[in-house]
Amino acid sequence: AQKVTQAQTEISVVEKEDVTLDCVYETRDTTYYLFWYKQPPSGELVFLIRRNSFDEQNEISGRYSWNFQKSTSSFNFTITASQVVDSAVYFCALSELGGATNKLIFGTGTLLAVQP
Amino acid sequence: ETGVTQTPRHLVMGMTNKKSLKCEQHLGHNAMYWYKQSAKKPLELMFVYNFKEQTENNSVPSRFSPECPNSSHLFLHLHTLQPEDSALYLCASSQETYQETQYFGPGTRLLVL
Repeated sequence: AQKVTQAQTEISVVEKEDVTLDCVYETRDTTYYLFWYKQPPSGELVFLIRRNSFDEQNEISGRYSWNFQKSTSSFNFTITASQVVDSAVYFCALSELGGATNKLIFGTGTLLAVQP
Repeated sequence: ETGVTQTPRHLVMGMTNKKSLKCEQHLGHNAMYWYKQSAKKPLELMFVYNFKEQTENNSVPSRFSPECPNSSHLFLHLHTLQPEDSALYLCASSQETYQETQYFGPGTRLLVL
């Protein structure tokens, strides 16, 4: 069965520290997508990145970077030089091939608190 | 204009009330979704609509009744809810349903008394 595990429930860092959020997934599909979303206190889930299973290149977008390793079924997310505005819950998700429906399997989220 | 909007943002209702949640997407997408987010639980998919047709009902109790009059609007009609239904209800949309990125609205925070 598909599953996403975010073992870190809460992380607290001081501004300007780097922080890595872990995501480990399980799937029997050979083709799948992985996602990261950010949920600030306002509640809206903000899409950050989508990665397909055939593209293992790491990606960098400003202070954000993602490390996809199929061999360890991990899709980790690093924020460099964290800022207070990065404080949010971050969700990793896996797209499941359930017929014609795009089912997203979410992890339980990691609450990141960035202290000034 | 914000991609996916939801109203109301907050709702308090009694167990005998009937209310509706509204979602509207301005992204030209064809698929829309309802999710429930309870404290300390993963997001739960409730319903999926694709081109106005319901394609997924994730064993949701009948006290939740979705309606999708067109690809831009999605409603969730609520009646005789229970306190355990208190949660954040999130709407999302995507271009199609097949492995497309879903974009979420801000949610409606529902409290059932």
